[in-house]
Amino acid sequence: KAGVTQTPRYLIKTRGQQVTLSCSPISGHRSVSWYQQTPGQGLQFLFEYFSETQRNKGNFPGRFSGRQFSNSRSEMNVSTLELGDSALYLCARPSMSEAFFGQGTRLTVV
Amino acid sequence: AQKVTQAQTEISVVEKEDVTLDCVYETRDTTYYLFWYKQPPSGELVFLIRRNSFDEQNEISGRYSWNFQKSTSSFNFTITASQVVDSAVYFCASKAVYNQGGKLIFGQGTELSVKP
Repeated sequence: KAGVTQTPRYLIKTRGQQVTLSCSPISGHRSVSWYQQTPGQGLQFLFEYFSETQRNKGNFPGRFSGRQFSNSRSEMNVSTLELGDSALYLCARPSMSEAFFGQGTRLTVV
Repeated sequence: AQKVTQAQTEISVVEKEDVTLDCVYETRDTTYYLFWYKQPPSGELVFLIRRNSFDEQNEISGRYSWNFQKSTSSFNFTITASQVVDSAVYFCASKAVYNQGGKLIFGQGTELSVKP
C-alpha cells in the first residue's frame, strides 16, 4: 500500500476562491512532496517538505504554497484560483530511492 | 537539468501481444534513479520499478521486464502477453540521488490500451 492519504478526493471551486488540500503520509515518514498533473503540462513537481521545512520548490507562482505539521501531515494551498489550476494534485511520500503516491485530489475550477 | 522523454503518446495492442514502452532520459547527474509508474483510471500512481544508474542489469519480474542502457540513455519497459488490466498510462521518471531530495522528473506518459 502507498501509505499516503489525500483529502478530499474531488473538489469544485470558483475562479478567484482559494483552496486547501490535505495529505497524510504513513506514520513516522517525515517527507512529503506535491505534484500537479494537467493534460497539457503533465506531472510537475510543486514542492517538498521534510520535518516541517520546505526542502525544494518547483517553478510555480506564489499563489501555490504549502506547509507541513509536526505530525507530518501536509497542506497545499492555492489562492486566487484560475481556470488553469484545474488538475489532479498528487501527494507522495518520497524516500531516498522511491516515492509512493496517494490517490490524489481532483480540483475543478469553474 | 533532468529531462525524461516518452515519445509514444498512445499505444494500442490486442490482448496477449507483447508491448514495449520507450523512455529516454537526460541528466548531468552521475548518480540517479529511474522509475516506471502505472496510473490506472483511478488516478493513483502505482510504483512498478526502480533502477540505479550504477546497475545496468536488466530484470524480469513476471510479465514485466526492463531494459536499461546508459550508452543510449534509455530505460524501456516491456509487458509480455498483455492483459486488459494492463490498460493505463505509464510514466517513466528520473531522480537525482543527491541534492534534489525526493523530486521526480516525469515523462509525458504513454497511454496503453489493451483490447480483448
